[in-house]
Amino acid sequence: DAGVTQSPTHLIKTRGQHVTLRCSPISGHKSVSWYQQVLGQGPQFIFQYYEKEERGRGNFPDRFSARQFPNYSSELNVNALLLGDSALYLCASSFDFQGRNSPLHFGNGTRLTVT
Amino acid sequence: AQRVTQPEKLLSVFKGAPVELKCNYSYSGSPELFWYVQYSRQRLQLLLRHISRESIKGFTADLNKGETSFHLKKPFAQEEDSAMYYCALSGGGSARQLTFGSGTQLTVLP
Repeated sequence: DAGVTQSPTHLIKTRGQHVTLRCSPISGHKSVSWYQQVLGQGPQFIFQYYEKEERGRGNFPDRFSARQFPNYSSELNVNALLLGDSALYLCASSFDFQGRNSPLHFGNGTRLTVT
Repeated sequence: AQRVTQPEKLLSVFKGAPVELKCNYSYSGSPELFWYVQYSRQRLQLLLRHISRESIKGFTADLNKGETSFHLKKPFAQEEDSAMYYCALSGGGSARQLTFGSGTQLTVLP
């Protein structure tokens, strides 16, 4: 059973650099959401995409952007990295964007360290 | 603004004892509430949600709109229940956006 897959699993970047994180949803799922989890806190919503359109955006600066591809996979991009961007980035997929009958399924995350 | 508060970062109970993980929320509309669990070295997964009113692994949670709470309960804790538990809220709308609490690490002692 292939769940949500994220790559890479770990990443180390320097302040000011750019990073791209990737996510493949469960087969048949059309919605992908991104969350940031800082150590000691719960996940914080960044973006939701459904059918390649942005359907929601959390309280994050414009340095954060994302997109969804025709195969429903997604990329999260972060520009001009800051030390505070160090976190676990989680991707979650669901069948639809409302989710009332399709819960979120999370990946294992990408651990980003900014030095 | 929506907010979820889990007042206990750490909670320890003995095997067979009752357990209650507290969750309080603030939201002006009709929220959807969830409990997510993360076992050691596993991914975050849905435990239960209030709209389904089901019991999963012996856990139940009742939405109390008057007290704005959604506490997670189990009458007899098991060692395999040891995990990190997150309460989460969805405010609805077009986005499937969850607001998570900071989590409670439950340890069930033998």
